[in-house]
Amino acid sequence: DAGVIQSPRHEVTEMGQEVTLRCKPISGHNSLFWYRQTMMRGLELLIYFNNNVPIDDSGMPEDRFSAKMPNASFSTLKIQPSEPRDSAVYFCASSSTMPAGANVLTFGAGSRLTVL
Amino acid sequence: DQQVKQNSPSLSVQEGRISILNCDYTNSMFDYFLWYKKYPAEGPTFLISISSIKDKNEDGRFTVFLNKSAKHLSLHIVPSQPGDSAVYFCAASAEGNTPLVFGKGTRLSVIA
Repeated sequence: DAGVIQSPRHEVTEMGQEVTLRCKPISGHNSLFWYRQTMMRGLELLIYFNNNVPIDDSGMPEDRFSAKMPNASFSTLKIQPSEPRDSAVYFCASSSTMPAGANVLTFGAGSRLTVL
Repeated sequence: DQQVKQNSPSLSVQEGRISILNCDYTNSMFDYFLWYKKYPAEGPTFLISISSIKDKNEDGRFTVFLNKSAKHLSLHIVPSQPGDSAVYFCAASAEGNTPLVFGKGTRLSVIA
C-alpha cells in the first residue's frame, strides 16, 4: 500500500481564497482523522470520520472550515475564506477498527498551507 | 487545557548515551499511550505503544515506561544514534477507535 496520500504538499494562497486539501486513506482503514500542526498548539484534532460518517468536528476552529468524506477512499478539508492564521501543516491520518488495543494512526506526509 | 503534556521542547544527547523523553497526562480515561517520531517534511510515524495495564514495553532500543499513579510515561532510547534525531510526540487515547490526543512534542538531537 502507498500509505496515506495527501495533496497538495504545499499550498501558498492569498487571504480570502478558498483552499481544498485532499486525502486518500489506506485501503481497508475505516477511520480518518484530520489534524493541524502549529508551533503554538502542536498537533490538534480537527475532525474525524468512522465509516465515512463525521463523528466529532468540535476541533474545527470556525465555520470557515468544513470536511467531507464522500466515500471510503477520499476526504477533503476546505477552508473558505482562508486567513493568515490558518497557515499550518495539515495532516490526514487513517486507522482500522481493532477489537482491542491501541488505535495506531498512520499519517500522511502533510499539506503545508501558507496564507499571505 | 492540554490533556497530554511534554514539558521539554528540546533535548540534546551524545551518541551512544541514553535519551529519556517524558510525558504527563491528566485524563484518567486514557487506556493507551503511544509515541510517534517525526522527521522534517514527513508525517509522524508510530514508534511504540503501551497499554494502561502494563508498566513497561520494550522494542529493540526503545522502551516505554508507564507510571499510572503519577500519570507519567517516558520513552527511553538506548543507545541513542544520530538517526534518532527527530521530534517525538507522546499521544494517548481511550479504549476503542477514538482519536489520539497529542503532546506538543520534544525535539531530540543526538550529537555524534
